[in-house]
Amino acid sequence: DAKTTQPPSMDCAEGRAANLPCNHSTISGNEYVYWYRQIHSQGPQYIIHGLKNNETNEMASLIITEDRKSSTLILPHATLRDTAVYYCIVREFTGTASKLTFGTGTRLQVTL
Amino acid sequence: NAGVTQTPKFRILKIGQSMTLQCTQDMNHNYMYWYRQDPGMGLKLIYYSVGAGITDKGEVPNGYNVSRSTTEDFPLRLELAAPSQTSVYFCASRPTDRGAHEQYFGPGTRLTVT
Repeated sequence: DAKTTQPPSMDCAEGRAANLPCNHSTISGNEYVYWYRQIHSQGPQYIIHGLKNNETNEMASLIITEDRKSSTLILPHATLRDTAVYYCIVREFTGTASKLTFGTGTRLQVTL
Repeated sequence: NAGVTQTPKFRILKIGQSMTLQCTQDMNHNYMYWYRQDPGMGLKLIYYSVGAGITDKGEVPNGYNVSRSTTEDFPLRLELAAPSQTSVYFCASRPTDRGAHEQYFGPGTRLTVT
């Protein structure tokens, strides 16, 4: 699995967009980018994933650079409930076990 | 659906004791996983299963055993508990569909070994 690098912590004002970067310069062509978050020691929660194209769902947007060496998770209007640790994971999806490797993530603090 | 459920929520064990952490999912997922999370760290995979009767080791399997007799249940057994096994344990499951990327996690079991 490609290694990922994330900043250890970030702050964001409530109502503003939170942009969480992830570097994955050694990503290979068949590896996906996944984002999960963990709110205060709860079980991780899936947010979004992508391969090459930008993706958007009801929770967030994922912007992947053209060379795929980095990506950004965007929470368009952050709320206090978005305070969590955000994990960027790069993993080949083979359709079988697809085991995830979690790093230490980015701790996002949303403030009033 | 209840999703992925885990019991107990908390447990304190003495060194050398044994216990089983329970995990059940009601989504008919074939893939199931056990992770542990030490304080301030990310999750590490202990064991996983691709279906009833099939299990395999993850990154940190030593000191643990698993079984998968049904699709729904994936218990994790700790034999001879050690302080190094103090951690939060998460169970997860995933659908078999080739297009299904999302893993669903349970709420976790917080285990302390003293």
